[in-house]
Amino acid sequence: AQSVAQPEDQVNVAEGNPLTVKCTYSVSGNPYLFWYVQYPNRGLQFLLKYITGDNLVKGSYGFEAEFNKSQTSFHLKKPSALVSDSALYFCAVRDRGADRGSTLGRLYFGRGTQLTVWP
Amino acid sequence: KAGVTQTPRYLIKTRGQQVTLSCSPISGHRSVSWYQQTPGQGLQFLFEYFSETQRNKGNFPGRFSGRQFSNSRSEMNVSTLELGDSALYLCASSLKAVDEQFFGPGTRLTVL
Repeated sequence: AQSVAQPEDQVNVAEGNPLTVKCTYSVSGNPYLFWYVQYPNRGLQFLLKYITGDNLVKGSYGFEAEFNKSQTSFHLKKPSALVSDSALYFCAVRDRGADRGSTLGRLYFGRGTQLTVWP
Repeated sequence: KAGVTQTPRYLIKTRGQQVTLSCSPISGHRSVSWYQQTPGQGLQFLFEYFSETQRNKGNFPGRFSGRQFSNSRSEMNVSTLELGDSALYLCASSLKAVDEQFFGPGTRLTVL
């Protein structure tokens, strides 16, 4: 079955330290990979995506993510965390579907990881 | 460009009633998806529409239905509401199905 796992419900880091939010997936083929962030009482915001090419993807607000095909992982990283980064982070994976034309498979979301950055 | 808008933002209903939620995607976006978000289950996929056709459907009972109009606006309907339907319902749009999705603020549904 297709699935996305975020093994940590919570991640706590001190401001200025590097942060990593983990994501692994079980989706057939070469999926599209996304990270989204949700601030309290707001909808999800797109952070970054991996479609093809360089395994290290850079996104908004200084975040980056590394795609590792052999480990089927797409971990979110930031070299220096800010208090304002505190939010709920979702990893999402979209399989390319059986029809390589215009039809794509559905988008699978992880359960989310609550990131807290303390001053 | 205006973002994804959802109406209403808040809704209170009682068990057995039905409800219709509306979503207006970003201008030019033809793909619209719906999600249910709850603290216990996280983000659950409901359905996805592209050019008025339902492309994907999640594992929800038939009480949950949706449609997309020719102007890409979408509605979802939940009939015979149950207490467990209380959730934040999120709509998202994208230019093409492969692109990143842009989410609306959600409709907070409370079923009493």
